[in-house]
Amino acid sequence: QSALTQPASVSGSPGQSITVSCTGTASDVGSYNLVSWYQQLPGKAPKFMIYEDTERPSGVSARFSGSKSGNTASLTISGLQAEDEANYYCCSYAGSSSWIFGGGTKLTVL
Amino acid sequence: EVQLVESGGGLAQPGGSLRLSCAASGFTFSRSAMMWVRQASGKGPEWVSGISDNGGSTYYADSVKGRFIISRDNSKNTLYLQMNSLRVDDTAVYYCAIPFGSPVWGQGTLVTVSS
Repeated sequence: QSALTQPASVSGSPGQSITVSCTGTASDVGSYNLVSWYQQLPGKAPKFMIYEDTERPSGVSARFSGSKSGNTASLTISGLQAEDEANYYCCSYAGSSSWIFGGGTKLTVL
Repeated sequence: EVQLVESGGGLAQPGGSLRLSCAASGFTFSRSAMMWVRQASGKGPEWVSGISDNGGSTYYADSVKGRFIISRDNSKNTLYLQMNSLRVDDTAVYYCAIPFGSPVWGQGTLVTVSS
C-alpha cells in the first residue's frame, strides 16, 4: 500500500484559516470513518487533534476541525496562531487491522 | 488518565534482537486492541503490527513479517514487540498505541540498528 498523499507544506498568516488535505483510496479513506490527524513538534510524540474523521479529543481547541469527501479527508485550522506551526500527519484504517499514514505536511505560520 | 509507557529501545547490531515493552494504565487493557507504530527520523509514521484484545489474532506489515513478533500479557497490562533479524532500516522511534476510539500513543522508544 502507498502512503496517503498530503501536501508537503502549507502556510498562512495569523488569524487566517488553512486546510490540509489527505488523499487515499476507496480501500482506506473512502471505506471507513477512521481518519485521524495529529500534530507533531520536532522530537516530540504526536498529539491527536482529530479522530474518526471529525471527532475532537477533549482538550483540543475547537479551531481544529476534520471533514471528508470520498477518498479525501481534510484538516482545517481556523484563527491560525503561531503555536500551530508544526508537522501534521493523517492516518486511516486500511482494513485487516492495518493502518496507513500520510507523509506529513509542514505548517508555517507567516 | 490513559498512559502508555514504552521501554526496551537502544542500540543493536544488524542481525541482532531487541524486545520492546509497553506498560499500559488508566483503561481496561484486556478489552483493547493494540498496535505498534514506528517513525524514522524525518519520515512519516509506519504501522508495524497489531494484536487483538485477547492476543488471539496478530497482524504485521510486510516489512517486518517473519522477523517481529507482537504479544501481550493482560495480567500485567503489558504489550511486547520482539524484534529479530534487525536491519539498519528498522532504525526508528517505536510507539505503542491504542488504535480505535480516541487514539492514544506513548512517548516512544528509540531503536538504533547500526554496526
